[in-house]
Amino acid sequence: DADVTQTPRNRITKTGKRIMLECSQTKGHDRMYWYRQDPGLGLRLIYYSFDVKDINKGEISDGYSVSRQAQAKFSLSLESAIPNQTALYFCATSDFRTGYQETQYFGPGTRLLVL
Amino acid sequence: GQNIDQPTEMTATEGAIVQINCTYQTSGFNGLFWYQQHAGEAPTFLSYNVLDGLEEKGRFSSFLSRSKGYSYLLLKELQMKDSASYLCAVRDGGNTGKLIFGQGTTLQVKP
Repeated sequence: DADVTQTPRNRITKTGKRIMLECSQTKGHDRMYWYRQDPGLGLRLIYYSFDVKDINKGEISDGYSVSRQAQAKFSLSLESAIPNQTALYFCATSDFRTGYQETQYFGPGTRLLVL
Repeated sequence: GQNIDQPTEMTATEGAIVQINCTYQTSGFNGLFWYQQHAGEAPTFLSYNVLDGLEEKGRFSSFLSRSKGYSYLLLKELQMKDSASYLCAVRDGGNTGKLIFGQGTTLQVKP
């Protein structure tokens, strides 16, 4: 079974709708991240969380919110979806205890299309 | 500001060697990562450098020069399955674990 899972894998929604993307991990990692990927722009950080009570904005948090329901679960919400939020969304996890070589491990991604 | 530059696309021949360069200007530095990403799939970890020099892992090697803000990923004995995007990422200073990604280099391996 995959260590980092994302649901749904694909989603089509309409402008103005609220949607939630979910991420679960079985790696036992404390840190979790949400990124979006757009062609030519690379991966950009939306939100990150060091533990259940510690949530931080990334470089492009406007229009998004998150919830860390448990150490293993981190959800991303689009309160009112707009077409320029069409992108590939990745969740990632990392283990603070590994020190400098703290590596991020990515889920399979959610492809979102906002019409 | 934070800036990481990589070539957008590269093409190489099966069996050959290719070098993918990455230059960076960041406010902090706690190491540089290379990830491989096949189309539509998740990025997967390839290598990590925090000290100057070359790290070798089988067909893949990664080099870092901190004074020059420069890294490269070297792929030897190219195979068709190496066709993918290669992402350079710098770990932010401090203790955040945050990564700053370049836009990625799409490598096409031809027969």
